[in-house]
Amino acid sequence: GAVVSQHPSRVICKSGTSVKIECRSLDFQATTMFWYRQFPKQSLMLMATSNEGSKATYEQGVEKDKFLINHASLTLSTLTVTSAHPEDSSFYICSAREGTGPSGAGYTFGSGTRLTVV
Amino acid sequence: AQSVTQLGSHVSVSEGALVLLRCNYSSSVPPYLFWYVQYPNQGLQLLLKYTTGATLVKGINGFEAEFKKSETSFHLTKPSAHMSDAAEYFCAVSSAGNQFYFGTGTSLTVIP
Repeated sequence: GAVVSQHPSRVICKSGTSVKIECRSLDFQATTMFWYRQFPKQSLMLMATSNEGSKATYEQGVEKDKFLINHASLTLSTLTVTSAHPEDSSFYICSAREGTGPSGAGYTFGSGTRLTVV
Repeated sequence: AQSVTQLGSHVSVSEGALVLLRCNYSSSVPPYLFWYVQYPNQGLQLLLKYTTGATLVKGINGFEAEFKKSETSFHLTKPSAHMSDAAEYFCAVSSAGNQFYFGTGTSLTVIP
């Protein structure tokens, strides 16, 4: 089946630095990828939708200058948390949609990245 | 607009007992419905999904769910709980496979 690889699985960084998280679709082309943030004991909140070759669409309240998303190829999307602060510490999960059209079935989630900002 | 409500943030069952996790949805269009499981510090794994067709959907690990339009529900069940079923479960709705809306999750504890 479809596999999405997310890297790194855990990262600890110092406050003020930037961190890049990669999301790769290993055996399919992902025209659309989604980035979610999950706070402890809470549900997933959609941060942004990225489409290959175009600018990401951010959800209301998400700072696009802080959470930079790049979807340069059909198999790779990256999320960069710039000038990270402790409040950015969270679990970030990506998902990728295989193909186009309203299939509803071609979503695969990555294994998540635990970001801790100290 | 679409939304999902999961009744019960914590559910405890004895090993071998029936598992029932409740999910109600709101959707202005025919919904696509999903159940995902999440183990600690891991991503989401698809258990099952309903898009069209048969309303009783069977998934992995012995789970199944039934889409009941009249009740706007998509409850998840498993006849006999196993220790390995202990995890966080999320119900989600989307319209024709577009943006997902997740419920707040239900933490399942299995008591030996």
